[in-house]
Amino acid sequence: QQQVKQSPQSLIVQKGGISIINCAYENTAFDYFPWYQQFPGKGPALLIAIRPDVSEKKEGRFTISFNKSAKQFSLHIMDSQPGDSATYFCAAIPGNQFYFGTGTSLTVIP
Amino acid sequence: DAGVTQSPTHLIKTRGQHVTLRCSPISGHKSVSWYQQVLGQGPQFIFQYYEKEERGRGNFPDRFSARQFPNYSSELNVNALLLGDSALYLCASSLGPTGTYSGNTIYFGEGSWLTVV
Repeated sequence: QQQVKQSPQSLIVQKGGISIINCAYENTAFDYFPWYQQFPGKGPALLIAIRPDVSEKKEGRFTISFNKSAKQFSLHIMDSQPGDSATYFCAAIPGNQFYFGTGTSLTVIP
Repeated sequence: DAGVTQSPTHLIKTRGQHVTLRCSPISGHKSVSWYQQVLGQGPQFIFQYYEKEERGRGNFPDRFSARQFPNYSSELNVNALLLGDSALYLCASSLGPTGTYSGNTIYFGEGSWLTVV
């Protein structure tokens, strides 16, 4: 049973465009929602994270939008660059473990 | 400062064999977690250790075991290897246990690629 559902599976965006990745969860006990970026052959690296008492968090070109009532959160990458091409994972924490989404492969074309 | 280090980086084992994977956390971090990442999927939680005690276990069979040493390094052991155990095994460290303010920021190593043939 997938605790965190992520979409789309893959995404192709033009350089300078906006990349949007969505995640949904069911467990209302989840109380921390990070996003990770993973390049091939590397471990995931924390990108940005949000707590459910905040509806939006922005760090540079990366923004998390959080909708507690809908149990959904999304990552927006503004002014997408070829260097952003990677796999992105959302995650959620209810306590002692992270639940990860299935990942989104982002390709930013010049 | 060194990040999370894992060894070996790649290994090939035969079905039925045993494997030990090692992890050294970031200096000062007391919590280590292990994740399995199958190609094309997100990491799946296996174990968490904090201060040498098991703090969580994912939905993995008893063939999987782990421990944390006094210097906070950790080992993941897998017995009776199956083809389906082929995956990237990730170690992550954090200051505190997951679910706490200091534990929710975890730093991953680059993983150990295990291939079972």
